[in-house]
Amino acid sequence: GENVEQHPSTLSVQEGDSAVIKCTYSDSASNYFPWYKQELGKRPQLIIDIRSNVGEKKDQRIAVTLNKTAKHFSLHITETQPEDSAVYFCAAQYSGTYKYIFGTGTRLKVLA
Amino acid sequence: ETGVTQTPRHLVMGMTNKKSLKCEQHLGHNAMYWYKQSAKKPLELMFVYSLEERVENNSVPSRFSPECPNSSHLFLHLHTLQPEDSALYLCASSQIAGGPTKQYFGPGTRLTVT
Repeated sequence: GENVEQHPSTLSVQEGDSAVIKCTYSDSASNYFPWYKQELGKRPQLIIDIRSNVGEKKDQRIAVTLNKTAKHFSLHITETQPEDSAVYFCAAQYSGTYKYIFGTGTRLKVLA
Repeated sequence: ETGVTQTPRHLVMGMTNKKSLKCEQHLGHNAMYWYKQSAKKPLELMFVYSLEERVENNSVPSRFSPECPNSSHLFLHLHTLQPEDSALYLCASSQIAGGPTKQYFGPGTRLTVT
């Protein structure tokens, strides 16, 4: 069935290091992959997204890569800062439906 | 931060109560969504409305009843809930439904069923 797996569930990195979060989707026809950041007690906010016709997208310190053959996409955060600490969710929009399927989230802790 | 608003922010209700959650979007969007967020679970899509028409009901129990009177307002009417319904209920909106489109979330209503 429709599924998005996200790993790892928790990730601790030292300030200044890079962080990578990976998601795998099951529907090869999925065509849109957003990433959301949710700080404690706050709403999820879109930080970057990618469409299926693009392999990589970058916005300052964050980037997303998409491998359609392997059906996985990844979030890369470089030069991490304490304010990057949050829960990050990936999602995949399944073609022909109105559904976004979300991953289970990754709690990122950036240690000062 | 004020594009999508939700009220109330916190709600405690008994299993026999009836209450409603309200969502309003000020972004001129045509699609609105209800999600349930429980601890250690992915966000679960509940309902999708496109131009005030319900286009998706993700097998949600009938004790949750959505209403979309216009494209800016969305309600979730609650009755005879169970303790396992306690969660954060998030509303979202997007320009359109069914296409690659960014969703903007409200702050959520933290619901506790006693």
